[in-house]
Amino acid sequence: QLQLQESGPGLVKPSETLSLTCTVSGGSISSSSYYWGWIRQPPGKGLEWIGSIYYSGSTYYNPSLKSRVTISVDTSKNQFSLKLSSVTAADTAVYYCARHGTIGVVIIFDAFDIWGQGTMVTVSS
Amino acid sequence: AIRMTQSPSSLSASTGDRVTITCRASQGISSYLAWYQQKPGKAPKLLIYAASTLQSGVPSRFSGSGSGTDFTLTISCLQSEDFATYYCQQYYSYLLTFGGGTKVEIK
Repeated sequence: QLQLQESGPGLVKPSETLSLTCTVSGGSISSSSYYWGWIRQPPGKGLEWIGSIYYSGSTYYNPSLKSRVTISVDTSKNQFSLKLSSVTAADTAVYYCARHGTIGVVIIFDAFDIWGQGTMVTVSS
Repeated sequence: AIRMTQSPSSLSASTGDRVTITCRASQGISSYLAWYQQKPGKAPKLLIYAASTLQSGVPSRFSGSGSGTDFTLTISCLQSEDFATYYCQQYYSYLLTFGGGTKVEIK
């Protein structure tokens, strides 16, 4: 069955760039039926969608983070990645990657049906 | 952005109880609503999508209802494994947003 696994540094210094990769196994990232997203959760708080990417490279970002976020896809490696620049302590969170379906042009996304286990990233000097 | 407001933020209940959690959207979202369950240290798990469709493998004691702006998640007979935090999420807008969560604790 399809599985997602996040990887990347657990500690990032303030003002630097957070970089994470999500590896998809048990299925192809190039499916036309799905988007691949990043969601984060600060300690003890709720969930925040960061952005999502289609296998073609089409992206959607949360406007609150858009100026600092880049999501990319590498279909040859069955991976997609997140870069978040100029991080501060407020970016300390568990970062999840997840799959969600695509519905259409007007309603783009479906619910997140498969999630990675999450990776904790702390921003500290 | 569409704001999702859950209530209550927490509740205490006993095994066997019927539990209802509500989620209100700041504007109409038709039935483009999902519910997730999250246990400590774990990723969220999809329970319900399209407001009332049970995800495969989810016990039938979970049910969802509503459309437009008001939605409910009901657990008909609370089991020990149901103590967790529950989140609603709208996907009517490309700017995906979650509710603040409802923590279901043991009374």
